[in-house]
Amino acid sequence: DSGVTQTPKHLITATGQRVTLRCSPRSGDLSVYWYQQSLDQGLQFLIQYYNGEERAKGNILERFSAQQFPDLHSELNLSSLELGDSALYFCASSVKAGEGEQFFGPGTRLTVL
Amino acid sequence: SQQGEEDPQALSIQEGENATMNCSYKTSINNLQWYRQNSGRGLVHLILIRSNEREKHSGRLRVTLDTSKKSSSLLITASRAADTASYFCATDRGSTLGRLYFGRGTQLTVWP
Repeated sequence: DSGVTQTPKHLITATGQRVTLRCSPRSGDLSVYWYQQSLDQGLQFLIQYYNGEERAKGNILERFSAQQFPDLHSELNLSSLELGDSALYFCASSVKAGEGEQFFGPGTRLTVL
Repeated sequence: SQQGEEDPQALSIQEGENATMNCSYKTSINNLQWYRQNSGRGLVHLILIRSNEREKHSGRLRVTLDTSKKSSSLLITASRAADTASYFCATDRGSTLGRLYFGRGTQLTVWP
């Protein structure tokens, strides 16, 4: 158990819908990262927050947004869902924003029908 | 975009044998990390090696780094069936922001 929690574990929804994925980092970790894992693209970095502020952006679509709240939990919002958004979405956390290992949550498996 | 390229894509061995996986990357790095993923589950950090280190050990794991060749290898000695998983290398591409760039992974199967 990494100490990072993600909810829900599974999400099945239809095209055009909007969903919210939630992540609680390890106690004491200030940095949260979101990654998408799909068969096509592999593991792709989406976005990073550090202590409530956006720190880095990767291959995140405009239809996707995220935020980190004062209690350090983070949410990833996916809207106008398409079939191709079906993937595993992982949240990871680390103590510092820079170097060091990242602790990954169990992931949310999103299926868009 | 991917950074690391793991080789081989798949590896199948018997219990007790050693497993070696390789990773090549394209840019300068501060460190390189290896992660393990059991089927459809979260990634587990195995080991981090800094750019000024050449070799690192952790239990049955041995990682080497050759920055001149931009390559790393992960050796698992005396493999067990429980080592069956996908193994990924990840780099920071020289950034201090923290984002990681992952390779496609090596699927290791260890037969009892």
